[in-house]
Amino acid sequence: GEDVEQSLFLSVREGDSSVINCTYTDSSSTYLYWYKQEPGAGLQLLTYIFSNMDMKQDQRLTVLLNKKDKHLSLRIADTQTGDSAIYFCADFSPLYGGSQGNLIFGKGTKLSVKP
Amino acid sequence: DVKVTQSSRYLVKRTGEKVFLECVQDMDHENMFWYRQDPGLGLRLIYFSYDVKMKEKGDIPEGYSVSREKKERFSLILESASTNQTSMYLCASSSGLAGDEQYFGPGTRLTVT
Repeated sequence: GEDVEQSLFLSVREGDSSVINCTYTDSSSTYLYWYKQEPGAGLQLLTYIFSNMDMKQDQRLTVLLNKKDKHLSLRIADTQTGDSAIYFCADFSPLYGGSQGNLIFGKGTKLSVKP
Repeated sequence: DVKVTQSSRYLVKRTGEKVFLECVQDMDHENMFWYRQDPGLGLRLIYFSYDVKMKEKGDIPEGYSVSREKKERFSLILESASTNQTSMYLCASSSGLAGDEQYFGPGTRLTVT
């Protein structure tokens, strides 16, 4: 089946940039997502990118997509202690080739921001 | 604002008990999902439903069943709880349009003793 891989931990200093990487196996991937989970909470969508895009920027967040290498990254500029959380990469997997489907999640990257 | 609510934040049950986890969404979403989250394993899909009374097995359906009698409610049932079902359970919903985001509930931390 399809798979999404990401490293489990990342530690950065406050004010630095964080880059969280993700690889996926689905060659027909259409949408890719980044979710954030703060301690004790559910997941919250941060941003997403459509497969015909290379880059998407939203304030401090930059998503880069290399479709040839099936590599997705999330860059957080000027990382703050409030950014400490688990970040999940996810790939939309259609059901029966249609518009319905579910998300294939990576295991999550725990970002620790040191003051 | 989309809201997905789960019946309990914390639950403690005994081995062999029948356990019901309830999830309700208020956005008229077509799709609903149940995941379990374990350290180092990320989110694993248990079951999902794309319509009332419809259900599809996810990656780890064994030991679980689901019920979707109404569009807004999706229940996860542990027929006979076991200690290896101790986990965080997350419910999510989505509109069913291609690529639409999933909205998550706050999670239920279930401990089976």
